[in-house]
Amino acid sequence: GENVEQHPSTLSVQEGDSAVIKCTYSDSASNYFPWYKQELGKRPQLIIDIRSNVGEKKDQRIAVTLNKTAKHFSLHITETQPEDSAVYFCAASKGAQKLVFGQGTRLTINP
Amino acid sequence: GAGVSQTPSNKVTEKGKYVELRCDPISGHTALYWYRQSLGQGPEFLIYFQGTGAADDSGLPNDRFFAVRPEGSVSTLKIQRTERGDSAVYLCASSTGANTEAFFGQGTRLTVV
Repeated sequence: GENVEQHPSTLSVQEGDSAVIKCTYSDSASNYFPWYKQELGKRPQLIIDIRSNVGEKKDQRIAVTLNKTAKHFSLHITETQPEDSAVYFCAASKGAQKLVFGQGTRLTINP
Repeated sequence: GAGVSQTPSNKVTEKGKYVELRCDPISGHTALYWYRQSLGQGPEFLIYFQGTGAADDSGLPNDRFFAVRPEGSVSTLKIQRTERGDSAVYLCASSTGANTEAFFGQGTRLTVV
């Protein structure tokens, strides 16, 4: 079955700098890759997703890139702000099937 | 409703007892997922429903766990003979179908003492 590896497990950056989180997946048939943000004690919320027919997607300060050949995808957050501090999860799925999540990255933005 | 609703929000039960966790998905969402999240970990897949049927129950850890969705809307996750290792946050999510955003509920924090 699908296996998703995520790194780093923790990331600390200065406010205004960029943050990058990387994930690899094992099943070449996976075709949907969402990123979720989870604040302490709250539900995971989708921040951006990408499908396998595109290589990059942007939404304001957030972007995701996908390399299908290498089976990895990355989240990029630019101009980080204190409210970006949270745990971020990547996930992968194929068709109408389960999302398999990475282990999470705890991002801390230092003022 | 406006979002995925899970009840109860917290449940404390004694080891060996039976518990039921309820999920009300977003109206019209045909896909419903149950996940379990332990502290510091990513959500772990348990079971996925498409309509009334369980399309994939490969994540259920053992036969003490069972879930139903009899009318294709509300789902109940049932845990028999609870063990302390079952303590976790149980998350429910729903979506309109393949490769679409899965909306999560707030979760039920289950504590087995």
